[in-house]
Amino acid sequence: GAVVSQHPSRVICKSGTSVKIECRSLDFQATTMFWYRQFPKKSLMLMATSNEGSKATYEQGVEKDKFLINHASLTLSTLTVTSAHPEDSSFYICSAAGPNTEAFFGQGTRLTVV
Amino acid sequence: SQKIEQNSEALNIQEGKTATLTCNYTNYSPAYLQWYRQDPGRGPVFLLLIRENEKEKRKERLKVTFDTTLKQSLFHITASQPADSATYLCALETGGYNKLIFGAGTRLAVHP
Repeated sequence: GAVVSQHPSRVICKSGTSVKIECRSLDFQATTMFWYRQFPKKSLMLMATSNEGSKATYEQGVEKDKFLINHASLTLSTLTVTSAHPEDSSFYICSAAGPNTEAFFGQGTRLTVV
Repeated sequence: SQKIEQNSEALNIQEGKTATLTCNYTNYSPAYLQWYRQDPGRGPVFLLLIRENEKEKRKERLKVTFDTTLKQSLFHITASQPADSATYLCALETGGYNKLIFGAGTRLAVHP
């Protein structure tokens, strides 16, 4: 299947700093990318949907100024957690889909804010 | 709002037996439903997709059924192996291509 690479796999940052997570589709053009977060033993919760070249659509309750999403090319989307706090610690996962393909998931990023 | 429930939080079975996982949903009629496998600390891996006009789909030792009247999908792993131990997630398409909502998952443990 198609490959979606997410980087970094783990990151620890200090409270108040910003962290950027990258999601790349390595062998296909991703017209749409999705960002999820997952708490331990819980379901993946969709945060936002991004289409290349347009603004992301955020799910209800997700602060767009807190979680900045950029989908500048057909192979790259980034999620920036701004002014991170300990409650932002979570497992963040992206998925990418091309036209008429199922979504392929990245390996996830474990964010710990100390 | 849409709601997805996966049967038990954990399922323990003996190697060689068939594992059956359940996914029930309410307040929605999805065009398709997907099953994923997730290992600890990893992203989900796509297993099978079944559309609303399909009753059953198979892939090697995996079988998925989709009953749109009962609003239920069953996921079967036959001849289960310890390597099948993982969390299995069901996901529904919700109002946008590849826009999915996920169940909480069922953690399967296959014992030798």
